[in-house]
Amino acid sequence: RKEVEQDPGPFNVPEGATVAFNCTYSNSASQSFFWYRQDCRKEPKLLMSVYSSGNEDGRFTAQLNRASQYISLLIRDSKLSDSATYLCVVNSFGGYNKLIFGAGTRLAVHP
Amino acid sequence: GAVVSQHPSWVICKSGTSVKIECRSLDFQATTMFWYRQFPKQSLMLMATSNEGSKATYEQGVEKDKFLINHASLTLSTLTVTSAHPEDSSFYICSATPYGDSRSYNEQFFGPGTRLTVL
Repeated sequence: RKEVEQDPGPFNVPEGATVAFNCTYSNSASQSFFWYRQDCRKEPKLLMSVYSSGNEDGRFTAQLNRASQYISLLIRDSKLSDSATYLCVVNSFGGYNKLIFGAGTRLAVHP
Repeated sequence: GAVVSQHPSWVICKSGTSVKIECRSLDFQATTMFWYRQFPKQSLMLMATSNEGSKATYEQGVEKDKFLINHASLTLSTLTVTSAHPEDSSFYICSATPYGDSRSYNEQFFGPGTRLTVL
């Protein structure tokens, strides 16, 4: 079983749509959780950290369920510029801030 | 702030040659840097953790004699792919964790990546 698993995608949605990404992780000792965004042939960029209480940043909402070891990302009112691959990332509590990346879910927003 | 650079951004080399990739933290010091590899349509895979002044810690399945890592200062880590072969062609990305920053345990700052093509 992979340490971090995501919806395989791709998600093709029209502008303005709401889209949700899911992610599960296997290590119950994980401490920190993130969503990164990666554009084609570029480095990943931090989109947002994910907190147990849930957090929102504009059109983006992240949720964490520690009991189920489940993380989600909701994007409202999708824009063309949201097209990218979204990576679910978990900190593997191994002493060196080791990040474990999911395989990513590709989002394509069309006009 | 928190900018990480990599050099070169891309490199093409012949099979059997060695290639050195530099990762620099430009506006902060980094005791720990990480090297990742990403094959097409796959996610980032951690290769090794580089610690200033000590030996790197390699992930399972990564050959330490093939991927030499040196972290000689708080702002520079290098990855040398020795005797590169076509299967080493990949996107190599480094990241760095700021030293002494309270948020440092949680956030890594990524370099722009180096695309290696071995002919």
